[in-house]
Amino acid sequence: DAEITQSPRHKITETGRQVTLACHQTWNHNNMFWYRQDLGHGLRLIHYSYGVHDTNKGEVSDGYSVSRSNTEDLPLTLESAASSQTSVYFCASSDDRGPNYGYTFGSGTRLTVV
Amino acid sequence: GEDVEQSLFLSVREGDSSVINCTYTDSSSTYLYWYKQEPGAGLQLLTYIFSNMDMKQDQRLTVLLNKKDKHLSLRIADTQTGDSAIYFCAGTNSGGYQKVTFGTGTKLQVIP
Repeated sequence: DAEITQSPRHKITETGRQVTLACHQTWNHNNMFWYRQDLGHGLRLIHYSYGVHDTNKGEVSDGYSVSRSNTEDLPLTLESAASSQTSVYFCASSDDRGPNYGYTFGSGTRLTVV
Repeated sequence: GEDVEQSLFLSVREGDSSVINCTYTDSSSTYLYWYKQEPGAGLQLLTYIFSNMDMKQDQRLTVLLNKKDKHLSLRIADTQTGDSAIYFCAGTNSGGYQKVTFGTGTKLQVIP
């Protein structure tokens, strides 16, 4: 069965370290998204990609970067982790069949920056 | 950009109906969605409604859309303990249908 997987599920890192969160999907979806979830803010879009070599900034992109070298993967990198980046991160994907299919989400990565 | 607002918390008794409300600002939202997030999991698409519809029913779920007031609601009939979760309203925006803005989420607690 097709799926979207995120790793690791939990991560503790120190302030200033570079961290990469992985997202891998086998749906063959063109569109991939990274969100962060914080209490009172819901889900906020960090970066998104509509295909290989395409990346775009979302509303909270400062301090984060992504690259898309193939269809399956969109890793999210925190260049120098800050305590404000402690959050739960979700990856999602969608295809181009139409908006009625919505997004497929991964199970999330809980990141703690100490 | 689009703003999507929801109340944070709702508590209902098992067997009662739940109504979760959402307001949005982008009048160009053509698709509006409801997602469910169970503890420790990602979001799952529950249902959607197209902007030219007023109502959509899917088993125990009824979605009502008031486009004039930019108000969306999700009614869950005969609410069960398994319905306890966080419910997110979301809508497409002027950035195209691939990009969706999510609300703040409403935590539904079902009391046995």
